[in-house]
Amino acid sequence: NAGVTQTPKFRILKIGQSMTLQCTQDMNHNYMYWYRQDPGMGLKLIYYSVGAGITDKGEVPNGYNVSRSTTEDFPLRLELAAPSQTSVYFCASSTGETQYFGPGTRLLVL
Amino acid sequence: QQQVKQSPQSLIVQKGGISIINCAYENTAFDYFPWYQQFPGKGPALLIAIRPDVSEKKEGRFTISFNKSAKQFSLHIMDSQPGDSATYFCAASSGSNYQLIWGAGTKLIIKP
Repeated sequence: NAGVTQTPKFRILKIGQSMTLQCTQDMNHNYMYWYRQDPGMGLKLIYYSVGAGITDKGEVPNGYNVSRSTTEDFPLRLELAAPSQTSVYFCASSTGETQYFGPGTRLLVL
Repeated sequence: QQQVKQSPQSLIVQKGGISIINCAYENTAFDYFPWYQQFPGKGPALLIAIRPDVSEKKEGRFTISFNKSAKQFSLHIMDSQPGDSATYFCAASSGSNYQLIWGAGTKLIIKP
């Protein structure tokens, strides 16, 4: 099992550009999560999903969108990148309380 | 009331010493308290977790102490090793949606 995979590992975006962060898990987990991690701020939940076709907002959803068409995939979309979205983004999945994290995507918006 | 407050922000401990990281919460509905360990360039990984029906849980050199009345819980790392150098996050959750509320993290450095 590869676990949770994320692509790309690193990306530089210009202000106003759009991109999709990919997340795939091969553990057949129903629950999936997107977090952003800023230095000294811990992990903030952006969006989560309890199963295919079901998504909900987390603590910091503004500027992001998600979809969950399959159990395996949970892409995160940034429509109009802003410098405030410079961060490290982690995807995670779970069947219950233990969350399994991907390696992260480092995003720099200039 | 949804916050989890973690301290200290950073910690330096000599090899062989005891590392102690503390967390406090307000929401009495929280019923699951995990600690995650994160190495540079990696995602967090579950280290150890506890529920409020016990006051202590030990796994190897890692122990969680839980004080329900004080709404505090702490991670103790005994005989700390350089390989324990990482960022540690406490978290809490309640209910069935498995959403975690995270502390801000503690960067632990173990000096040889």
